[in-house]
Amino acid sequence: DTGVSQDPRHKITKRGQNVTFRCDPISEHNRLYWYRQTLGQGPEFLTYFQNEAQLEKSRLLSDRFSAERPKGSFSTLEIQRTEQGDSAMYLCASRAGLTEAFFGQGTRLTVV
Amino acid sequence: GENVEQHPSTLSVQEGDSAVIKCTYSDSASNYFPWYKQELGKRPQLIIDIRSNVGEKKDQRIAVTLNKTAKHFSLHITETQPEDSAVYFCAADGRTGNQFYFGTGTSLTVIP
Repeated sequence: DTGVSQDPRHKITKRGQNVTFRCDPISEHNRLYWYRQTLGQGPEFLTYFQNEAQLEKSRLLSDRFSAERPKGSFSTLEIQRTEQGDSAMYLCASRAGLTEAFFGQGTRLTVV
Repeated sequence: GENVEQHPSTLSVQEGDSAVIKCTYSDSASNYFPWYKQELGKRPQLIIDIRSNVGEKKDQRIAVTLNKTAKHFSLHITETQPEDSAVYFCAADGRTGNQFYFGTGTSLTVIP
């Protein structure tokens, strides 16, 4: 599969624990996005990378959230001290320049 | 930032009929307007997109129209089929083009 891949697909964690998700974009896609989607809603923007530089962050991204893209390839999204309100689908998308964006299958996080 | 509104939230049509979903946006600087289809539990997939220098684009049974003056764009699906049943999201890229602002989605049901 040469599309955007995310790992893990599902994550159940206890409140207060830290979790980390990984996104592998399509090769040579320089732009990478993280979105969060809750049931019945459209994806909400979290953050954007162009190559390794994090150029934009949403106000939704509290200080418990951090994202990296160290070599301009894969990216990680970490949530510290998880809360029940963090339960959602976390989607990653990539694009080459201003072409169409491709989404990964997402990581479904459940905080219990 | 950009604000995208989408209507209707649910839509039921008989197989073979047409379906129209409408979106409005607030930032006149938006230049790129993709439409995504999301089936239950799956990733959003691009079905068609349009840029601001074009008024209409068609791909087989799917078409998108854009009215920049009025700041609205619409998705048209003709000869609907049961496999068209899904949630459809419109989006706009906003002033910087660094993210997508999504509508709240339209749940389309095609009745056989």
